[in-house]
Amino acid sequence: GAVVSQHPSWVICKSGTSVKIECRSLDFQATTMFWYRQFPKQSLMLMATSNEGSKATYEQGVEKDKFLINHASLTLSTLTVTSAHPEDSSFYICSARAWAPGHNEQFFGPGTRLTVL
Amino acid sequence: DQQVKQNSPSLSVQEGRISILNCDYTNSMFDYFLWYKKYPAEGPTFLISISSIKDKNEDGRFTVFLNKSAKHLSLHIVPSQPGDSAVYFCAASQANTGNQFYFGTGTSLTVIP
Repeated sequence: GAVVSQHPSWVICKSGTSVKIECRSLDFQATTMFWYRQFPKQSLMLMATSNEGSKATYEQGVEKDKFLINHASLTLSTLTVTSAHPEDSSFYICSARAWAPGHNEQFFGPGTRLTVL
Repeated sequence: DQQVKQNSPSLSVQEGRISILNCDYTNSMFDYFLWYKKYPAEGPTFLISISSIKDKNEDGRFTVFLNKSAKHLSLHIVPSQPGDSAVYFCAASQANTGNQFYFGTGTSLTVIP
């Protein structure tokens, strides 16, 4: 299957700092990437949909000024958590969509664990 | 509103037996369904999918069944192996629109050696 990487895999930061997470599709071009957040023992919650070359579409309740998404190329999307606070500590997962007629798989990155002190 | 539901948060099965994981959805517009497997602190791994034009799709030990009238799908794993122990998420989407996936809350499967 297609490979999606995330960097870093784990980050610890102080409250008030900003953290950037990268999501790359390694062997295919992804016009659309998705950012999810997962709390312990809960489902994946879609935060935003990122389309290459255009503004991201955020889900209800997700602050676009706090979670900045950039999708500058067909293989890279970034999520920046600005002015992070302890409640932002979570597991962030990106996925890239490989779409073809009749198929709609998303391939997920390994996730990034963010801990805000 | 949870459009995709997995009512069993956990399931334990003896090695070699069949594991059956269930998933229900409410939106009749969904026409593409997927199962993902997830280990702790890792991203989900795609397992198997099925479109609404089919009622069964098989890939090795994994078979997904779709009952559109009941808005229900299930994943059968046979024979179950200890390495299958993970959290399984079902997801639903509308294939032709490329819209978001709606995930269930997951079922934690434990295969006992």
